[in-house]
Amino acid sequence: GQQVMQIPQYQHVQEGEDFTTYCNSSTTLSNIQWYKQRPGGHPVFLIQLVKSGEVKKQKRLTFQFGEAKKNSSLHITATQTTDVGTYFCRLGGATNKLIFGTGTLLAVQP
Amino acid sequence: DAGITQSPRYKITETGRQVTLMCHQTWSHSYMFWYRQDLGHGLRLIYYSAAADITDKGEVPDGYVVSRSKTENFPLTLESATRSQTSVYFCASSESDRDFDGYTFGSGTRLTVV
Repeated sequence: GQQVMQIPQYQHVQEGEDFTTYCNSSTTLSNIQWYKQRPGGHPVFLIQLVKSGEVKKQKRLTFQFGEAKKNSSLHITATQTTDVGTYFCRLGGATNKLIFGTGTLLAVQP
Repeated sequence: DAGITQSPRYKITETGRQVTLMCHQTWSHSYMFWYRQDLGHGLRLIYYSAAADITDKGEVPDGYVVSRSKTENFPLTLESATRSQTSVYFCASSESDRDFDGYTFGSGTRLTVV
């Protein structure tokens, strides 16, 4: 089946440091979505990327879709304790639309 | 209130018992999904439904049964619960199968099978 690599699995940062998680697909994607899940909570939709090389920003979060549409990244600038949680990608495409990555757990130390 | 609700929030059951997890959404979304979340496995799809009376298997359907007689409800039944089915279960809905629609998740049901 489709392989969804999300790296790293876990990241611990000091508050104020930057953070990046990557989502890699073995096949070309039609689009990719990102979700955030707070500890004890449920996944919440953040954003979707559709175009090759697309970059979108939400305040301190920057989302990028690779040129080949096989990978994506989520970058957080100057992390805050409110950024704590697990970040998931969800693959788009006819056969991938229901698949989530394994997630990256972000811990932020004040 | 509008939204997607799951019940119960917590459930403890014994091995071999049948248990049903409920999911109700008020948006009349066509698509509904059941995922389980386990440490190290992320979110794995159990079953999904494109409309009332239309369901299909996901990645890990064994031991589960679903039905969708009404658009707003999508119950998940564990026919004979096993300890390996101890997990957090999330229901989600989506307006369409277009990739541009994000999923909206319920708050989850934490199920423990003893």
